[in-house]
Amino acid sequence: EVQLVQSGAEVKEPGESLKISCKGSEDTFTNYWIVWVRQMPGKGLEWMGMIYPGDSDTRYSPSFQGQVTLSADKSLNTAYLQWRSLKASDTAMYYCARTYGDYIPFDFWGQGTLVTVSS
Amino acid sequence: IVMTQSPATLSVSPGERATLSCRASQSVTSNLAWYQHKPGQGPRLLIYGASTRATGIPARFSGSGSGTEFTLTISSLQSEDFAVYYCQQYHDWPRYTFGQGTKLEIK
Repeated sequence: EVQLVQSGAEVKEPGESLKISCKGSEDTFTNYWIVWVRQMPGKGLEWMGMIYPGDSDTRYSPSFQGQVTLSADKSLNTAYLQWRSLKASDTAMYYCARTYGDYIPFDFWGQGTLVTVSS
Repeated sequence: IVMTQSPATLSVSPGERATLSCRASQSVTSNLAWYQHKPGQGPRLLIYGASTRATGIPARFSGSGSGTEFTLTISSLQSEDFAVYYCQQYHDWPRYTFGQGTKLEIK
């Protein structure tokens, strides 16, 4: 069974750093791109970026370029989404998902990580 | 590519048919997916290639369309079908954009 398991909910203060994770199988981290998607409270889904763990090729949405960092550790079958300095507007649910690549949708998703940024 | 879904909310009784629409700002050919999203879960892929059901998806879900106009039809609504539905174009790599969602609620 394909699974992407995300790290637990986080509560942080503005200005703090954060790294959340998404763990999958060896097959997923060898052959698929890992995608990150944001859902702000009461809003829809926004594609943030994606990383190919095999060679760390990374693509960012222009809306998120410079705001977050994607990384992956193929030896741990884990991808990461990182912030250096959180803002209240980063409060959202974050999902990881996978895609095989060009012209392929996101076939499996993680359960989501809720990030709350509040003073 | 901007994806626009309508309506924003659809109220339907169990057992009835639901029809959801999705429009792309430019042609995405058949590179269109539909996802079902329930609270507390990650989205689930329902339809890809505009009309192909993903593995394990019941036959009451069907998709149609190509180019810029797409439809998701649920033929006889079950209680577990009430959720938010998103369309997504995966034509413009890697900027796979979503519609804003249609909330399917019980009438």
